[in-house]
Formats: sequence, structure tokens, C-alpha cells
Amino acid sequence: DAKTTQPNSMESNEEEPVHLPCNHSTISGTDYIHWYRQLPSQGPEYVIHGLTSNVNNRMASLAIAEDRKSSTLILHRATLRDAAVYYCLNFGNEKLTFGTGTRLTIIP
Amino acid sequence: DAGITQSPRYKITETGRQVTLMCHQTWSHSYMFWYRQDLGHGLRLIYYSAAADITDKGEVPDGYVVSRSKTENFPLTLESATRSQTSVYFCASSESIPGLAVYNEQFFGPGTRLTVL
Repeated sequence: DAKTTQPNSMESNEEEPVHLPCNHSTISGTDYIHWYRQLPSQGPEYVIHGLTSNVNNRMASLAIAEDRKSSTLILHRATLRDAAVYYCLNFGNEKLTFGTGTRLTIIP
Repeated sequence: DAGITQSPRYKITETGRQVTLMCHQTWSHSYMFWYRQDLGHGLRLIYYSAAADITDKGEVPDGYVVSRSKTENFPLTLESATRSQTSVYFCASSESIPGLAVYNEQFFGPGTRLTVL
């Protein structure tokens, strides 16, 4: 199964941009790149997804490398409510495969 | 209630007992999924369903049984619970768009915390 690699944890100051990296070394040509986040004691929440082009929505931006072997989730202005575990995933063959994610801590 | 719900939210049972976790969604989404999350780990897919009466195994299906007689319900049964099945279980659903199938966002329920003694 396709797997992703993320740093275990990151810290960021409140109101500053955050760049969360992900390596997709085994991604296949038809896999979409998805990002989810999980707030404490809650189920995961969809953030954004893309295939080849960079994507923007109200929550975040997704930058995808040209070779698709890496992606970066960008939170433009972190708030305390963005403290969560962030998961990047390759989505193909009907299945999401979650890794252990990056625990993001926001410093007031 | 609108959305996706799971019941019970908390369950304590004993080794060897049968337990059924319920999942209900009100969107008529085609796809439904069951995951487990163990302390300090990400989510692992147990089973998923593309439509009523269609189910398939995920990464860790052993010891679990699913059924999907109605689009909106996707119960997960532990036929003979073991301590290793102590976990938080999440149900999710996703709509199907022709040509894009499952490449859409998944909506997750609040989870069921199961303890097997």
C-alpha cells in the first residue's frame, strides 16, 4: 500500500503561516493527495485534496511538487483552533491509507 | 440527526462477547468505511462498502464482520471480542461522483471508544 512520510511534530506561532510537509515516495499516477486533520477527541476532518495542480480553499492551500513525490499543506495564518494532528494521504483504489501524521502545536 | 452518527459512543465488554457498533448517515452517500485508531497511531481501514450489499476488506479485517442492507447503515460486528480490539472506532462516508468514484472527501463520525476487558 502507498505510504506517506511526515514529521512527527511541528510548532508554529499564532497568526503566522505554517507549512506542513509530506513525502509521497510511492504515489501512483492516479492517486489523489488528500489532507485531513484530527482535533483532540474528534474524528478526522477533511482539509483539502488535489491531483497535480496547486489547490486553494477556505481552510488551506495545497502545493504539489511537479513530480508529485511531495506536497505541502499551507495554513496561511495559524490560530489556536488549528492545533491538531494533520494527515497526508495517497488516495487510490477506493482506500485511504493513514500514516501517523504531524502533531501541530500552536504557540500563543 | 443530520450527518453521520455512531452508537454507542462508549462501550465496555468482556473477552469473547459479541459487540455491534452502529453507523448511520443521512446523506445517502454511496461509500461507507470503518476505521480503528489505536493510541499513538493513525487510522487503519477495517472494511468499506461501495453500495448496499457490496463490502470489501481493508487493511485489518480479521475478527470483524460488516453488512450493508440499507444505504444509510453500516454496522460493524466483533463476533468474539478480544483485548487487542480495544480501540476507538470511526465510521465515515463519502459520496460517489461518476468518473471520480471515491476521490471525494470523507465525512467522519464522532467515534466509538470500545474497551474489551
